[in-house]
Amino acid sequence: DGGITQSPKYLFRKEGQNVTLSCEQNLNHDAMYWYRQDPGQGLRLIYYSQIVNDFQKGDIAEGYSVSREKKESFPLTVTSAQKNPTAFYLCASSIGQQYSNQPQHFGDGTRLSIL
Amino acid sequence: DQQVKQNSPSLSVQEGRISILNCDYTNSMFDYFLWYKKYPAEGPTFLISISSIKDKNEDGRFTVFLNKSAKHLSLHIVPSQPGDSAVYFCAASAPFSGANSKLTFGKGITLSVRP
Repeated sequence: DGGITQSPKYLFRKEGQNVTLSCEQNLNHDAMYWYRQDPGQGLRLIYYSQIVNDFQKGDIAEGYSVSREKKESFPLTVTSAQKNPTAFYLCASSIGQQYSNQPQHFGDGTRLSIL
Repeated sequence: DQQVKQNSPSLSVQEGRISILNCDYTNSMFDYFLWYKKYPAEGPTFLISISSIKDKNEDGRFTVFLNKSAKHLSLHIVPSQPGDSAVYFCAASAPFSGANSKLTFGKGITLSVRP
């Protein structure tokens, strides 16, 4: 059963701590994305990766970092430099840049809260 | 600057009637448009898309219309069912935007279908 798995579903962080959100996909997709959703807002792109060992900043990359060491995995680290980290984080994937006009498919998200 | 606008935050319709969700965009480079449906605490689910070479795309109860000259698209759901109650996001992408399928999202419309 192919899909995108995000874990954990809920995550709590103390101020000043870094925290890593997991995203794994078994769809054999080349491209992966991280979005952030705040109440009443649309999704905003944090980082994206079109291929293993490559990633690019999105619209709101400050205070975040990513890695793409494997095709299946695209973890997101929320660093202590992110001043307002409380949000719903969504990971997505799509087939890849060689195919135009392909939808992104999303995981079920991780809700991060600051203690 | 919001490039994808969903100006109505909510819509309520009677079960069995038509739901029409509207979306406007400002970036004339957008050439691929998508609608996603989202339930609380879940990731968005891809519903339907349309490329700029078409003005209509249909999939079961869902039809998307694109008016390029007006930079406007709409999602029609006929007939509406209580299970359609969710937040609907309009999204758009432009070619050569730095990532294949890099999406710009609207803020969403909350649809409520009354039994």
